[in-house]
Amino acid sequence: DVLMIQSPLFLPVTLGQPASISCRSSQGLFHSDGTSYLSWFQQRPGQSPRRLIYRVSHRDSGVPDRFSGSESGTDFTLDISRVEAEDIATYYCMQGTHWPHTFGQGTKLEIK
Amino acid sequence: QIHLVESGGGVVQPGRSLRLSCAASGFIFSDNGLHWVRQAPGKGLEWVALITKNGDEEYYTDSVKGRFTVSRDNFRNMVYLQMDSLRVEDTATYYCAKSLTGDAAGHWGQGTLVTVSS
Repeated sequence: DVLMIQSPLFLPVTLGQPASISCRSSQGLFHSDGTSYLSWFQQRPGQSPRRLIYRVSHRDSGVPDRFSGSESGTDFTLDISRVEAEDIATYYCMQGTHWPHTFGQGTKLEIK
Repeated sequence: QIHLVESGGGVVQPGRSLRLSCAASGFIFSDNGLHWVRQAPGKGLEWVALITKNGDEEYYTDSVKGRFTVSRDNFRNMVYLQMDSLRVEDTATYYCAKSLTGDAAGHWGQGTLVTVSS
């Protein structure tokens, strides 16, 4: 199975400052159809997860543009340009290129 | 508005079976594959299974292969997860979800809790 390794697992942040979460895959995620199926999810405490980003860098409808995704080989990054209070949550990456799909361990954003 | 509503969770003894249901509305059900994802208490997300839009293909994570079966009814807009030979480590909240990876709008249900305990 493809391992998805997130770092850090805990990220203390200051409101209004940027934050960055990394996700490394144990195999390339480039699919034969020409795309990398890497998604990012946000899970606030007590809530169901919500998808933020799909296919590496495409934001879902309603997701603020302070969230962005990028890739460099097998390294994927979720950036938050300016953290707001509502962004305090756990973030997961997930690969959907290979079977079975697999999630990273999660990164918990906390207020510093 | 998209809705996914899971049901069927509960407490069950190890080795027994349980069937989860997911009722879908607000989108063209037969155009979408559906996933099951689980989350053990206090733990991260684990992808469990997918059934394709017309039900002709199923995919599973290794730990549930041969024990869990995903199915769907495109007339009733329902997806099911039949869970047999349940183990203590299957204890989790089980979510039904659409479009985890593709361009269609993503959505998750509220989840249903399965507790496997003697």
